[in-house]
Order: sequence, then structure tokens, then C-alpha cells
Amino acid sequence: KAGVTQTPRYLIKTRGQQVTLSCSPISGHRSVSWYQQTPGQGLQFLFEYFSETQRNKGNFPGRFSGRQFSNSRSEMNVSTLELGDSALYLCASSATGGPYEQYFGPGTRLTVT
Amino acid sequence: QKEVEQNSGPLSVPEGAIASLNCTYSDRGSQSFFWYRQYSGKSPELIMFIYSNGDKEDGRFTAQLNKASQYVSLLIRDSQPSDSATYLCAVNLYSGGGADGLTFGKGTHLIIQP
Repeated sequence: KAGVTQTPRYLIKTRGQQVTLSCSPISGHRSVSWYQQTPGQGLQFLFEYFSETQRNKGNFPGRFSGRQFSNSRSEMNVSTLELGDSALYLCASSATGGPYEQYFGPGTRLTVT
Repeated sequence: QKEVEQNSGPLSVPEGAIASLNCTYSDRGSQSFFWYRQYSGKSPELIMFIYSNGDKEDGRFTAQLNKASQYVSLLIRDSQPSDSATYLCAVNLYSGGGADGLTFGKGTHLIIQP
């Protein structure tokens, strides 16, 4: 099976702009979770989608949003980018049924200047 | 506030020895526990998961869980230089309505010395 794919792999944006990141889960997986990884804070949970519905959300501001499509592909959007949003954004997919072993994609490295 | 604590290291272990990585967690409701390996510049790779008290073995890796002590560990036998990486402990509060999102520790940097 192909693994989790994320596009783009690298992105440079300017403060104030918005960005959309894409994630395609492992075939057959219906749950997609998003995480932010920074050297200072480590890996932090953003949100999880299942069957096009957001099921859980971490402690991030409303500038961070996402959605999931009927084919389980997911997108994450960050509006009004801040310098502190520079991070590695990771998507993870898991199959239905708990308690959810999650498999990560390669990540999108976002740099905000 | 859910917290997962790991010693950041670096933990230096001679090649061929047993590497022991430890993790404690604060939320007694945590249901499932994961160990990820992350090489520099790469994404985390799932290497072990454990749900029940006791030991779970997979090749050179053994995960140990003690829910009463809120403690989970990872043993790597016959350590190889290729095991040098950051090991992330993660816990999940499975509410039945979906994954609560993994809570990660900051990771332990493991160095296997040839």
C-alpha cells in the first residue's frame, strides 16, 4: 500500500498571507489528523477529521482550519500567517475503529518570512 | 492538562547493548501508547504500540506498560548504529467517539556508539 502523501513538501510564505496544505491518507483509512512540529513545542495536535467531519481539535487559534473530502483526502488552511507558524506540518492517517495507530506522512515544511 | 514526559538525552549506548527509553504520562484515562522513531529531517515512524499492562515484543523491540505507575518504556536489544534517532512517546485518550489526538513527549535522542 502507498503511504500517506503530503503536498507541497516545502513552502515559503510571507507574514499575513494564507496557505493550504494537502494530505492523502493510506488507502482505506478514513481518519486524518494534523500536527504541528516545532523545535520548542515538539509535536502538537491540531485536529482530526473522520468522514468529512471534524471530531477533535487541539488548542490552536481559529486561523487554523481544515476539511476532509469524500475520498478522505484532507486539507489544512492557515490564514493570516505569523512568523511563529513556521513549522513542519504533519498529517497522519488511521483506519476506522480505535484506538488508532497513526501513520505519518513526510510533512510540509512551512517557512513564514 | 495532559502531559507526557521523556528524558531528552542524549542517551548514549554502545553497539550491541540494550537501550532503555522511558516515558511517564499524567492522564490516568489514557488508553493507548505508542513509540515513534524520528530520524533528523524525517517524519515520525511508528515502531511499537501497546494497550494492555505488561510487555509486548516485536523483533528487537519490547514495549512495557504499567498503567498503575503511569509509565511506559521501550527496550531496544542488540542496538545498532541505525537505531540512532529521536524516540517519541505518545499517548491517546480514546473516548469512543474518535481519537483524541496523540499527546507527544518531546522525545529522547538516542545515540548508538559503534
